Amino acid sequence: DAGVIQSPRHEVTEMGQEVTLRCKPISGHNSLFWYRQTMMRGLELLIYFNNNVPIDDSGMPEDRFSAKMPNASFSTLKIQPSEPRDSAVYFCASTRSWGGYGYTFGSGTRLTVV
Amino acid sequence: DAKTTQPPSMDCAEGRAANLPCNHSTISGNEYVYWYRQIHSQGPQYIIHGLKNNETNEMASLIITEDRKSSTLILPHATLRDTAVYYCIVRVENSGGSNYKLTFGKGTLLTVNP
Repeated sequence: DAGVIQSPRHEVTEMGQEVTLRCKPISGHNSLFWYRQTMMRGLELLIYFNNNVPIDDSGMPEDRFSAKMPNASFSTLKIQPSEPRDSAVYFCASTRSWGGYGYTFGSGTRLTVV
Repeated sequence: DAKTTQPPSMDCAEGRAANLPCNHSTISGNEYVYWYRQIHSQGPQYIIHGLKNNETNEMASLIITEDRKSSTLILPHATLRDTAVYYCIVRVENSGGSNYKLTFGKGTLLTVNP
């Protein structure tokens, strides 16, 4: 089991550019979550999917953020246009939507917007 | 989800048991207690969860009081690699529905000293 795979591990971009973060959940997991972590705000849930359908996107900070899950094995989080305040570590996690399973988190993408 | 209260930091000597407390006085009857930890620069890692009975796995033990208003995570023989932020979270168990998102608080920074 390769775990939850996120790419890239690090991303440095200029303000105004589009950024796309990618996540491959664990096979068999049908729920996927995107989190953002900063020193000031800690771990924040941005959006989560169940069976590829967005369930709750109330944590998405603004319209510049969008997330998709075209199939059970892939999800993207896009920021367009990016701003310096978007700098953070973005984590993807997956789990099964039944039973007492814990979440499995990826290693995260460290995004720096300059 | 019920709120939790954890001390911001704790110290423990290497080889000793680390006992991390968590208060959740407003927990509902169908809410579980989950513990995660986050080692520096890594994604959070699931440790253990329980409803009302004490639980043990290869990583830790979870002791839940009879009234379920508090719990303690026990690392029986702490090592330097257990230095991390430990999060106590209460929420309903996954049930195939949509209300099972994890909300992280600030957690307890456990420092294991040599």
